[in-house]
Amino acid sequence: NAGVTQTPKFRVLKTGQSMTLLCAQDMNHEYMYWYRQDPGMGLRLIHYSVGEGTTAKGEVPDGYNVSRLKKQNFLLGLESAAPSQTSVYFCASSSSFSGAYEQYFGPGTRLTVT
Amino acid sequence: QKEVEQDPGPLSVPEGAIVSLNCTYSNSAFQYFMWYRQYSRKGPELLMYTYSSGNKEDGRFTAQVDKSSKYISLFIRDSQPSDSATYLCAITRSSNTGKLIFGQGTTLQVKP
Repeated sequence: NAGVTQTPKFRVLKTGQSMTLLCAQDMNHEYMYWYRQDPGMGLRLIHYSVGEGTTAKGEVPDGYNVSRLKKQNFLLGLESAAPSQTSVYFCASSSSFSGAYEQYFGPGTRLTVT
Repeated sequence: QKEVEQDPGPLSVPEGAIVSLNCTYSNSAFQYFMWYRQYSRKGPELLMYTYSSGNKEDGRFTAQVDKSSKYISLFIRDSQPSDSATYLCAITRSSNTGKLIFGQGTTLQVKP
């Protein structure tokens, strides 16, 4: 039981490049989330999904797209990376039975955009 | 005004001290109040949560919610060096599927 895994762990991009971050969970959770964490800003919700085939915008969605084609996977895409997207990205999942409060987080992806 | 405010610290205490971590929030509609702990270069993990007002105790940790003043606290008794981490408060409503709102996090260092 791996919980929540994220790929890759580190990445350096040049401005304008694109990439996809992959999140996978093996707990059969309905809800999945993408956050970014910046110094002094806490965790901010980018996008989330309440089930396979659904996505919704969070607090800071601009510049990101997401897809949830399979229940266990949640992909975060950056179409044209900008230095302002340098951050640590966390994926999380939770069960619909426990509600949003009990979220399980992955280890994070450290992204630097130069 | 941010929906949740948390003093970022850093907070440094000697081993064995009682630690008090606090957050304030602005919207009285929130019902669930959580504390997450995050070790350096790791993902956050849920420490404990409280529904509505009151206290909740789990070992050396006590979470307290005062809805009248919109104030939430986490107390750590007999603090240990292993408690050194960043502590994030978070709030949500039962209708808020997916919308956990986090404070900025307080970095705690417990010195041996």
